[in-house]
Amino acid sequence: AAGVIQSPRHLIKEKRETATLKCYPIPRHDTVYWYQQGPGQDPQFLISFYEKMQSDKGSIPDRFSAQQFSDYHSELNMSSLELGDSALYFCASSEPAGTFFNSPLHFGNGTRLTVT
Amino acid sequence: QKEVEQNSGPLSVPEGAIASLNCTYSDRGSQSFFWYRQYSGKSPELIMFIYSNGDKEDGRFTAQLNKASQYVSLLIRDSQPSDSATYLCAVNRGYQKVTFGTGTKLQVIP
Repeated sequence: AAGVIQSPRHLIKEKRETATLKCYPIPRHDTVYWYQQGPGQDPQFLISFYEKMQSDKGSIPDRFSAQQFSDYHSELNMSSLELGDSALYFCASSEPAGTFFNSPLHFGNGTRLTVT
Repeated sequence: QKEVEQNSGPLSVPEGAIASLNCTYSDRGSQSFFWYRQYSGKSPELIMFIYSNGDKEDGRFTAQLNKASQYVSLLIRDSQPSDSATYLCAVNRGYQKVTFGTGTKLQVIP
């Protein structure tokens, strides 16, 4: 079965550089979530999109932005990178569901970002 | 108070025993509840989801939900060393708003 695809798998950037992470959800999934996970920490919610509109916003720095495109893939753009941005970045998607009964999130394999 | 709370552990159980993982949530309007397993450096993997009060069983796993007490748990029967991982509780507060707990680290001792 098709899964959530994230690219790249690994990314090394220097401080103050920019990075773009991509996420391709499972076909027919209309909701995309982005999470950041530092070493030994739980996933921290950054932002989510439903039908190409931002649906929720978490602890996403102002230096980061994201969007969901017409084909439902999503990109997380990160600028002025800092050492503390080094983490695993997960994308997850879920299929259409009712307002309250959210279908489960399915995670991609993540992008490991290292800022030097 | 955090929106979703879990005991960080580690929870150590002998092989073959029952592991009991607990989660409480603060938003009484929450409707959907998920358990994920995460191995170090890997992505979270869905184990169970539950929407209604009571128990839901799937193989060695049983999820239990008590909305009145705002409590959800995961039981793992016949625990195996391969079950050693971090277990994340996730709660949907509606409108695609999903919050994760900090996770409980489970160690199954052979």
